[in-house]
Amino acid sequence: GAVVSQHPSWVICKSGTSVKIECRSLDFQATTMFWYRQFPKQSLMLMATSNEGSKATYEQGVEKDKFLINHASLTLSTLTVTSAHPEDSSFYICSAAPPPPEGRGELFFGEGSRLTVL
Amino acid sequence: RKEVEQDPGPFNVPEGATVAFNCTYSNSASQSFFWYRQDCRKEPKLLMSVYSSGNEDGRFTAQLNRASQYISLLIRDSKLSDSATYLCVVKKFSGGSNYKLTFGKGTLLTVNP
Repeated sequence: GAVVSQHPSWVICKSGTSVKIECRSLDFQATTMFWYRQFPKQSLMLMATSNEGSKATYEQGVEKDKFLINHASLTLSTLTVTSAHPEDSSFYICSAAPPPPEGRGELFFGEGSRLTVL
Repeated sequence: RKEVEQDPGPFNVPEGATVAFNCTYSNSASQSFFWYRQDCRKEPKLLMSVYSSGNEDGRFTAQLNRASQYISLLIRDSKLSDSATYLCVVKKFSGGSNYKLTFGKGTLLTVNP
């Protein structure tokens, strides 16, 4: 079964609106979660590292005020795309790794959220 | 030079064929290596980790050459269900327990009947 769950799977929104994507770790506590974005035929690009109880760490070129990350609990991180525009249309995927001793370093991914901004 | 580079493919092979994918990485401080598989419009899933001594899992064999900063994946007796994009992934620790995964662009494999 899924170790990391993401919701929603698909979202279509109008330009200018905000969209929230949830990422939950199932059966384990994740102090760190990762948010990736993947454009068609491109590799996964790390957007930010979400840290429970503290601010997220954003990769270079990713606007922190546009992509708001909240990691309020050990099993939930949210990514909010604010004032979405068509160029934000992409596949957003979160991931987390069970900590030792349960985990062996393997990173599990959520099912992904496909965002289409009209 | 990109951090992780892969054969772009696509690879089209018949069932039963043997196919090999290559990957190179630029950061010699990289510490762990993986092959992930991604089906169309789905999330990546771990196929196997790659160890210096080379490792095998059924029809899949992974090799790592740290000196050449090169990783490979060999698939023997390919099945239709092997059709997917194969992602080379490199992990580097950045202090404490913090780490970063860098993904290659992926190599598309299509196995034909």
